[in-house]
Amino acid sequence: QVQLVQSGSELKKPGASVKISCKASGYTFRSFPLNWVRQAPGQGLEWMGWIDTNTGKPTYAQGLSGRFVFFLDTSLGTASLQISSLRADDTAVYYCAREMSGYDPPYTRYYYMDVWGNGTTVTVSS
Amino acid sequence: SSELTQDPAVSVALGQTVRITCQGDNLRSYHGSWYQQRPGQAPVLVIYGNNIRPSGIPDRFSGSSSGNTASLTITGAQAEDEADYYCHSRDSSANHLVVLGGGTKLTVL
Repeated sequence: QVQLVQSGSELKKPGASVKISCKASGYTFRSFPLNWVRQAPGQGLEWMGWIDTNTGKPTYAQGLSGRFVFFLDTSLGTASLQISSLRADDTAVYYCAREMSGYDPPYTRYYYMDVWGNGTTVTVSS
Repeated sequence: SSELTQDPAVSVALGQTVRITCQGDNLRSYHGSWYQQRPGQAPVLVIYGNNIRPSGIPDRFSGSSSGNTASLTITGAQAEDEADYYCHSRDSSANHLVVLGGGTKLTVL
């Protein structure tokens, strides 16, 4: 079945770096973009950006720090999120999610994230 | 504005009907999608394309839209529907950007 499996929880000290992976299976990896969404403790979902799995081109949310970088390894069917210079407020659950799109005639388009990863908890603490 | 606005909290009596709304100019250009998130779990898609339910989502969930407002309706709310609900769209002024609502916490009484 279609699924996204993310890497395990991480505990890091401030200033360190972390790389989270999201492995896709059950579908053609390059056919659909992957989004990254984070959720700080007790907070709502925050969209971070997405990566075009066909071209490797990332799109980042406005205002997202350059410390966050998306990577792709199409040979492994895996997307990754690297966070550098970690801070305490980076503590969150990070999700990847596949994005689909559709068209409702005559002119309304729609997008949706139909499959989500299991989430990776990143805890930044000294 | 590229924001999607949701009421922070809504409650409903068991078995009654509840509507959760999402407002934003983006919804004049794109149909919204809705996600359910139970505590400690990843979000789950419940409605997309205005009123399409993914396989496995109960038919008590439905969607609609009017103008700049998308709505998620639960007809006959169950205890297991208690969760956070988020709406989603693209930014109509920069359609490569995604917008998520702030979320609505639904309490089933």
